[in-house]
Amino acid sequence: DVKVTQSSRYLVKRTGEKVFLECVQDMDHENMFWYRQDPGLGLRLIYFSYDVKMKEKGDIPEGYSVSREKKERFSLILESASTNQTSMYLCASGPGLQNTGIRNQPQHFGDGTRLSIL
Amino acid sequence: QKEVEQDPGPLSVPEGAIVSLNCTYSNSAFQYFMWYRQYSRKGPELLMYTYSSGNKEDGRFTAQVDKSSKYISLFIRDSQPSDSATYLCAMTSTTNAGKSTFGDGTTLTVKP
Repeated sequence: DVKVTQSSRYLVKRTGEKVFLECVQDMDHENMFWYRQDPGLGLRLIYFSYDVKMKEKGDIPEGYSVSREKKERFSLILESASTNQTSMYLCASGPGLQNTGIRNQPQHFGDGTRLSIL
Repeated sequence: QKEVEQDPGPLSVPEGAIVSLNCTYSNSAFQYFMWYRQYSRKGPELLMYTYSSGNKEDGRFTAQVDKSSKYISLFIRDSQPSDSATYLCAMTSTTNAGKSTFGDGTTLTVKP
């Protein structure tokens, strides 16, 4: 079974802090993703990565950055946390072109980090 | 208009009922069609997926894809209280390189 592990289930931080959310997958997947999920807004893609040291902006990248130094690990960084970044953050991974020869196979999610910014 | 529209719900049914969850889409390039189940305070769990058109069955769950109508469905037979969750449809295409487009979810409650 695919396992996507997010470092914290719940996190409380203060406005202006730099916040790191970590995600690790154990399936050697090429593709990794960060989403946020808010009531009434659904899942929104923040950033994604197709390979080590590669990153692409999603739909709402403002205020966030990412790091992928190793294939299994994808980190989301809130450069200066603000109250409107209070949300559920979900990491996902999926096989990519080199894994299976098929580019767009389904993603698997972690259990999320519920982040509160005070 | 959104690329993927999902019946909003919420849906409440008695235990044992047949449940139908539905999504429509506009992008003809979608090839993979997924259903995720999300319990409260948990991440989405990949329930089933199909490639292109057709049906796929897994126990009490059946996924249907009708590409001509741009319509997908998830049927749950003999629904159980443990099926109470939010169900998300999702789709990917060759043109968006691994990214998925998600519906907003339908919340299902199965009453004992």
